[in-house]
Amino acid sequence: DQQVKQNSPSLSVQEGRISILNCDYTNSMFDYFLWYKKYPAEGPTFLISISSIKDKNEDGRFTVFLNKSAKHLSLHIVPSQPGDSAVYFCAARRYYGGATNKLIFGTGTLLAVQP
Amino acid sequence: SAVISQKPSRDICQRGTSLTIQCQVDSQVTMMFWYRQQPGQSLTLIATANQGSEATYESGFVIDKFPISRPNLTFSTLTVSNMSPEDSSIYLCSVEASKTEAFFGQGTRLTVV
Repeated sequence: DQQVKQNSPSLSVQEGRISILNCDYTNSMFDYFLWYKKYPAEGPTFLISISSIKDKNEDGRFTVFLNKSAKHLSLHIVPSQPGDSAVYFCAARRYYGGATNKLIFGTGTLLAVQP
Repeated sequence: SAVISQKPSRDICQRGTSLTIQCQVDSQVTMMFWYRQQPGQSLTLIATANQGSEATYESGFVIDKFPISRPNLTFSTLTVSNMSPEDSSIYLCSVEASKTEAFFGQGTRLTVV
């Protein structure tokens, strides 16, 4: 049962345009959503997160939108740059009490930004 | 932020052997997490390692196959035991920075032949 889904395995965008990466989830108990970027041979790097009680969070060129009723979130990158080319993972956090947070990841979307 | 060093970065191993992956953090952390990313798949949590207690394993992962040590607050190891080609994956350790942020090591790319 894939609780976090990224249905687009890849996306190609022209430099300077907007990149929109999508993510759907099924579990309404998730309280935070996170986006990670991963280059080959490196670990995932945290980008931006959003609480389930918000609908938007912005950090520079990156904005995450959350639609709780649709159980959908998206990451907008504008303007896109060639250095943004990487695999982007959506992750959802469910708090289990104590100090334990568990992240459930989507399968990732490979973003290619064309110069 | 936390700096996480993982060793080895990659290895090719014979089936039936075991490999121990090391994870060193530059600050003391309560919990460390071990993930696996199989080819074309998402990252899947293997276990949570608390210093001074046994690791807590997720469904589908057992201690005999993936023994974990957590001798202090900055270090952990994951052993992949009696390896088969199905264990070929990227293994990553992770620590929590806050409720909303986690840091990852660079990963260990394991190929079992």
